[in-house]
Amino acid sequence: SQQGEEDPQALSIQEGENATMNCSYKTSINNLQWYRQNSGRGLVHLILIRSNEREKHSGRLRVTLDTSKKSSSLLITASRAADTASYFCARHGSSNTGKLIFGQGTTLQVKP
Amino acid sequence: EPEVTQTPSHQVTQMGQEVILRCVPISNHLYFYWYRQILGQKVEFLVSFYNNEISEKSEIFDDQFSVERPDGSNFTLKIRSTKLEDSAMYFCASLRRRHSDYNEQFFGPGTRLTVL
Repeated sequence: SQQGEEDPQALSIQEGENATMNCSYKTSINNLQWYRQNSGRGLVHLILIRSNEREKHSGRLRVTLDTSKKSSSLLITASRAADTASYFCARHGSSNTGKLIFGQGTTLQVKP
Repeated sequence: EPEVTQTPSHQVTQMGQEVILRCVPISNHLYFYWYRQILGQKVEFLVSFYNNEISEKSEIFDDQFSVERPDGSNFTLKIRSTKLEDSAMYFCASLRRRHSDYNEQFFGPGTRLTVL
């Protein structure tokens, strides 16, 4: 399959703890993107990391990319109840139309 | 901040009926997409649209589906004869240009389609 695989599928932590979600993919990429989806809502773009970058930060988010292992991770530090959502990695398809191929996602629950 | 909008937020229809889902992409964007998400599953690509024509479609996007950009602002997805398995959340997305350094797609809030 060309789609990304995320693990864990579900993660439950206490507020204040860090949450790490992983994504693996099988083909070469130009970049990898992470999106958040609150329950029953639309997708919100979080961060994009290019294939020549190894790490990127945005606020409490840290994304790493290891192209040799074809994997990426999203770390949310000092989690809050409002971080409760599903998190998806996405990469572009090989057809160059800009379509995104999403992973299965990780459902994160942050308990207050 | 500009955003993608979609209407309606929820559509309930009978099997076999036609539905039209509407989207207004961000005004200076050039590439448009429809995705769907069946409840509890991942987001799946349906179709991409550029320069007034389909640039790519998935296996899901069969003859029952069509897309249109009837004017400079709206982008619609039509399902001619809905089936029970078309029940899903449908997301519209737009992109300014593909070959920029920052090619984030902006997603609308989605239309929940329920086929009875």
